[in-house]
Amino acid sequence: EAGVAQSPRYKIIEKRQSVAFWCNPISGHATLYWYQQILGQGPKLLIQFQNNGVVDDSQLPKDRFSAERLKGVDSTLKIQPAKLEDSAVYLCASSLGITGTEAFFGQGTRLTVV
Amino acid sequence: GNSVTQMEGPVTLSEEAFLTINCTYTATGYPSLFWYVQYPGEGLQLLLKATKADDKGSNKGFEATYRKETTSFHLEKGSVQVSDSAVYFCALCNQGGSEKLVFGKGMKLTVNP
Repeated sequence: EAGVAQSPRYKIIEKRQSVAFWCNPISGHATLYWYQQILGQGPKLLIQFQNNGVVDDSQLPKDRFSAERLKGVDSTLKIQPAKLEDSAVYLCASSLGITGTEAFFGQGTRLTVV
Repeated sequence: GNSVTQMEGPVTLSEEAFLTINCTYTATGYPSLFWYVQYPGEGLQLLLKATKADDKGSNKGFEATYRKETTSFHLEKGSVQVSDSAVYFCALCNQGGSEKLVFGKGMKLTVNP
């Protein structure tokens, strides 16, 4: 079974530039999560989709971050403009969305803002 | 809101030592509880889980019991190996609603031969 695919794996940009990350979840998974993991910390949920609807985006900095899930499958996360403090690993995960089932994670995208 | 508190490291143990990583949670209702592990250079992966009170999750010699009375889900292993060196995250997922998955800060474990 194919896992969660993310691209790119690494990205270096200058502050005030924009960047986009892509995620392809496991086929059939209704729930898709985007997390931000700053070095030395646990993953922080940015946004959660159920199919193509947003379930939770309370911790998404909406002045600079945006995300969409196309047709309830692939998703993109965008940052515009980037700040130094956005340097982190951005993780995408998906799950069946059924109580008690686990989330499967992609390898993540390591973003460095200089 | 829902939250997870786990002991912070880093922790260094010798091979064959006993391991306990404490995890407590705050949640409305009855969440599912998870331990995820992140090996060096790899992505997060599920280690074990428990979905209701008194359930015991186990995998690769690790165990954790869902204790509703103490709102805890401590991870234990009787004899650690060098290959267990990783970062361990406790997490909860609230049920019957948004299925929001919340993580603790993680604990880095290093096991020396």
